[in-house]
Amino acid sequence: AQRVTQPEKLLSVFKGAPVELKCNYSYSGSPELFWYVQYSRQRLQLLLRHISRESIKGFTADLNKGETSFHLKKPFAQEEDSAMYYCALSGGGAAGNKLTFGGGTRVLVKP
Amino acid sequence: GAGVSQSPSNKVTEKGKDVELRCDPISGHTALYWYRQSLGQGLEFLIYFQGNSAPDKSGLPSDRFSAERTGGSVSTLTIQRTQQEDSAVYLCASSLARSVQFFGPGTRLTVL
Repeated sequence: AQRVTQPEKLLSVFKGAPVELKCNYSYSGSPELFWYVQYSRQRLQLLLRHISRESIKGFTADLNKGETSFHLKKPFAQEEDSAMYYCALSGGGAAGNKLTFGGGTRVLVKP
Repeated sequence: GAGVSQSPSNKVTEKGKDVELRCDPISGHTALYWYRQSLGQGLEFLIYFQGNSAPDKSGLPSDRFSAERTGGSVSTLTIQRTQQEDSAVYLCASSLARSVQFFGPGTRLTVL
């Protein structure tokens, strides 16, 4: 079975401070990992996928297969980063492309 | 082009009634997914359509839930004999084969 765990339900940081959202997963094969973000009153949208290895809006995430983690980081948080963040896993193969989501972390960036 | 659209945006129904939720995927996307977002359960996969293959129904919570996709495009999620625990936001997503999924705005279902 595949599982995604986001241990923090809420992260509150001040503008300009670093922010790190934790994500751990369990999956027996080689998963694809994603971070999705949902801003207030907007639809869920992709932020990052691990195979792209790119930085979006200053966020980066590195897949650590040894620790089965895919933590999301940003060195200097901005107020516009306040949103709900979901880590998600896709098993691929016979499981298809369906996503298993973590419980989400709400980020609040204070001025 | 337009993104994924869903209708209605809000639906209030009485316990025991049937409801139909509609999803219009991005044109050309071969894969279509339904998810449910609720306070108690978070974001859960429901069902997945890929081209002409048999759908993956492994996430449907009960036989009251069903979905179909006509002509490889529009999809309808039907919930029969709704229960209060069915109250949630139902999200639809589409993608090109196994590429990134694009989500719709959701339908908020309230069962009284």
